[in-house]
Amino acid sequence: DAGVIQSPRHEVTEMGQEVTLRCKPISGHDYLFWYRQTMMRGLELLIYFNNNVPIDDSGMPEDRFSAKMPNASFSTLKIQPSEPRDSAVYFCASRSQVEGEQFFGPGTRLTVL
Amino acid sequence: AQSVTQPDIHITVSEGASLELRCNYSYGATPYLFWYVQSPGQGLQLLLKYFSGDTLVQGIKGFEAEFKRSQSSFNLRKPSVHWSDAAEYFCAVGPSGNTPLVFGKGTRLSVIA
Repeated sequence: DAGVIQSPRHEVTEMGQEVTLRCKPISGHDYLFWYRQTMMRGLELLIYFNNNVPIDDSGMPEDRFSAKMPNASFSTLKIQPSEPRDSAVYFCASRSQVEGEQFFGPGTRLTVL
Repeated sequence: AQSVTQPDIHITVSEGASLELRCNYSYGATPYLFWYVQSPGQGLQLLLKYFSGDTLVQGIKGFEAEFKRSQSSFNLRKPSVHWSDAAEYFCAVGPSGNTPLVFGKGTRLSVIA
């Protein structure tokens, strides 16, 4: 298995632009998680899905952030409009109900100028 | 509520010296416990996990961890550290039912010659 796949790996954009981050979980996994990591705040859980349904989005910082999971093999995290303080590394992770451990993707490093 | 405490923010050890990273958890039942490692610019990689059985678990890269229920601890150890072990280490507990893993804030390990 290729593991969790994220794209793009790096994104540089200007303030006010829309940013879309993409994630393909490991096949057969029931859960998908979006995290944000910064030096100041560390690793933060933004939102997670179970069987494509959002379960908890209380970590989403503002209405500018939205996430979707239209099917079991694809999820997006969208920021519109983006701001410099959104600069961070965004990780996607997935896990199965049986295994327990979460498998992380390589992350997307977002820079908003 | 579940929580994880990693008391040491940053540890520096000499190459070849032994290592112990501390992790304390709060959990209502027998926990699932994990250690992840994050090398610079990389995602989180699972080092080892404890679900049940033998309280001393072996992981990748020569790491081991011991579950001590009486102390609510799951400390990570390595007998001889290599320079390539310099990274951030995260302890995690869970999941419980539908919930994600709860991560500690991480311990940054520096290795000096």
